[in-house]
Amino acid sequence: DAGITQSPRHKVTETGTPVTLRCHQTENHRYMYWYRQDPGHGLRLIHYSYGVKDTDKGEVSDGYSVSRSKTEDFLLTLESATSSQTSVYFCAISEAVGDTQYFGPGTRLLVL
Amino acid sequence: GDSVTQMEGPVTLSEEACLTINCTYTATGYPSLFWYVQYPGEGLQLLLKATKADDKGSNKGFEATYRKETTSFHLEKGSVQVSDSAVYFCALSVSDYKLSFGAGTTVTVRA
Repeated sequence: DAGITQSPRHKVTETGTPVTLRCHQTENHRYMYWYRQDPGHGLRLIHYSYGVKDTDKGEVSDGYSVSRSKTEDFLLTLESATSSQTSVYFCAISEAVGDTQYFGPGTRLLVL
Repeated sequence: GDSVTQMEGPVTLSEEACLTINCTYTATGYPSLFWYVQYPGEGLQLLLKATKADDKGSNKGFEATYRKETTSFHLEKGSVQVSDSAVYFCALSVSDYKLSFGAGTTVTVRA
């Protein structure tokens, strides 16, 4: 299995508070991704990174920001959490563009 | 844009039954096609993939053939087990970063 961890694995927070989710990889893959999973929508891309300090938006990026200061870490921040951001968040990595993506175990976030 | 449509679930079947999950796609380029599986409480795992027309991906008794003429990548297994109970996602990737996923099909196999 690809070495991908996510923290925390579960989080409950209140509307309006900031939240940061962490993805850590030990594979030295260049590309990293954040997805959210919601019933009936499959997985939707929030942001992705193609290198240290190189990031771009996905299809559902509003309300989210990311940072990548090291190859192994990719952070997802909800600046001011809303109930619509209650979801399961998955990090993924890949070695190259269009290549197979490997997924972390997920973070379940509940915003009250 | 690029998109994937897979059959609605949930699907419930008995052990040793045949399973088929339909997946069709729309793509502007020439995509690679994937099936991912998500077991309860876990992240997604790659089940199989195909990168060009007529390629057949296979793994754990599952198969899917890349059919360009019908823009399809249906997942099949001849004899399912209880351990195959999971959510199955069809996905595609064109020559960029993005994986486009279908909505997922929940499969439950009863003993």
